[in-house]
Amino acid sequence: GQQVMQIPQYQHVQEGEDFTTYCNSSTTLSNIQWYKQRPGGHPVFLIQLVKSGEVKKQKRLTFQFGEAKKNSSLHITATQTTDVGTYFCAGGGYNKLIFGAGTRLAVHP
Amino acid sequence: NAGVTQTPKFQVLKTGQSMTLQCAQDMNHNSMYWYRQDPGMGLRLIYYSASEGTTDKGEVPNGYNVSRLNKREFSLRLESAAPSQTSVYFCASSELRTETYNEQFFGPGTRLTVL
Repeated sequence: GQQVMQIPQYQHVQEGEDFTTYCNSSTTLSNIQWYKQRPGGHPVFLIQLVKSGEVKKQKRLTFQFGEAKKNSSLHITATQTTDVGTYFCAGGGYNKLIFGAGTRLAVHP
Repeated sequence: NAGVTQTPKFQVLKTGQSMTLQCAQDMNHNSMYWYRQDPGMGLRLIYYSASEGTTDKGEVPNGYNVSRLNKREFSLRLESAAPSQTSVYFCASSELRTETYNEQFFGPGTRLTVL
């Protein structure tokens, strides 16, 4: 079945450093979504990418969808302590999503 | 609007006991989902309901049953709990605005321990 792999599993950075997490699918995706989960919280939707090669920005966050629509990345510039949490990518089908295992980000002040 | 609500927040069961996790949404969404989250494994889909009156199996349905009671409510039942079902359970809902747009809204989760 369809699988979505996400790397790295865990990353810790010093505040102000950049951070990137990568997502790869075994099949072509109709869309890719990104979610953030704060410690002890629930996943919260960040963004959706639909088009091949699409790039979207949200303040310090940059999301990319690969040309083949099989991979995606999330880059955070100049991390802050508020960025702490787990970032999940999720590959979209019509009725359901397949989630990656997530990348847990720790930010040290 | 409360969004997606789940009850209970915490539950401890003994092996073999049964229980039902409740989920309700007030966003008039057609689709609802149940996930379990285990450390290092992300979110795995248990069951989903694309619309009122329909339910389908997800990735890990064994040991669970669901009921889509009405458009608002989607419950998850464990008939005979096992320690392997110790997990955090999330309910989510979405509105399928287009064929490719299906942002999901998650409830706060139920932390279940089976002894």
